[in-house]
Amino acid sequence: KAGVTQTPRYLIKTRGQQVTLSCSPISGHRSVSWYQQTPGQGLQFLFEYFSETQRNKGNFPGRFSGRQFSNSRSEMNVSTLELGDSALYLCASSLTSGGASTDTQYFGPGTRLTVL
Amino acid sequence: EDKVVQSPLSLVVHEGDTVTLNCSYEVTNFRSLLWYKQEKKAPTFLFMLTSSGIEKKSGRLSSILDKKELFSILNITATQTGDSAVYLCALNMNYGGATNKLIFGTGTLLAVQP
Repeated sequence: KAGVTQTPRYLIKTRGQQVTLSCSPISGHRSVSWYQQTPGQGLQFLFEYFSETQRNKGNFPGRFSGRQFSNSRSEMNVSTLELGDSALYLCASSLTSGGASTDTQYFGPGTRLTVL
Repeated sequence: EDKVVQSPLSLVVHEGDTVTLNCSYEVTNFRSLLWYKQEKKAPTFLFMLTSSGIEKKSGRLSSILDKKELFSILNITATQTGDSAVYLCALNMNYGGATNKLIFGTGTLLAVQP
């Protein structure tokens, strides 16, 4: 089974621009979660989507948004980029959302975003 | 505030050594505790622990959860240079069973020298 895929792998943007990142979960998985990883803050939860609905959101400004499509693929968007948005953005997929306690989240390779 | 603390922050050992990585938390309402290994990019799954006192093993790695004392440990025996990585501990939170949300610790950076 193919793993979680993310595109693009690397992005360079300038302040004020916007960016869209894509995540395709493992086949059959319906939950996609997004995380931001920075050296200072570590891994922080952004949001989770399940069945095209946002289930939970972390403490990030409204410039961070996302959506999920009927095939479970997900995109996240960051508008009006700031220097502090430079990070590794990881998505994770799991079979269900808050279901069985044995449901594991599997991570994709990430998108490295650099804001200049 | 939900908090996960890992120790030590970093560790340097020699091949063949045994290491114990610690994860303590100040959360009670969670579904599972997970360990991940992160080398350069994606964290790769190691273990999921849901019950206290039951050891999980995979080759040279093992892990156990103590829900009474609020901690977990990850043991690696006979370390190899390929074990060099950041080891992350995370709690899968339980918000009424309606969501997935991982709260991560800061990680332990393990360097295994030949």
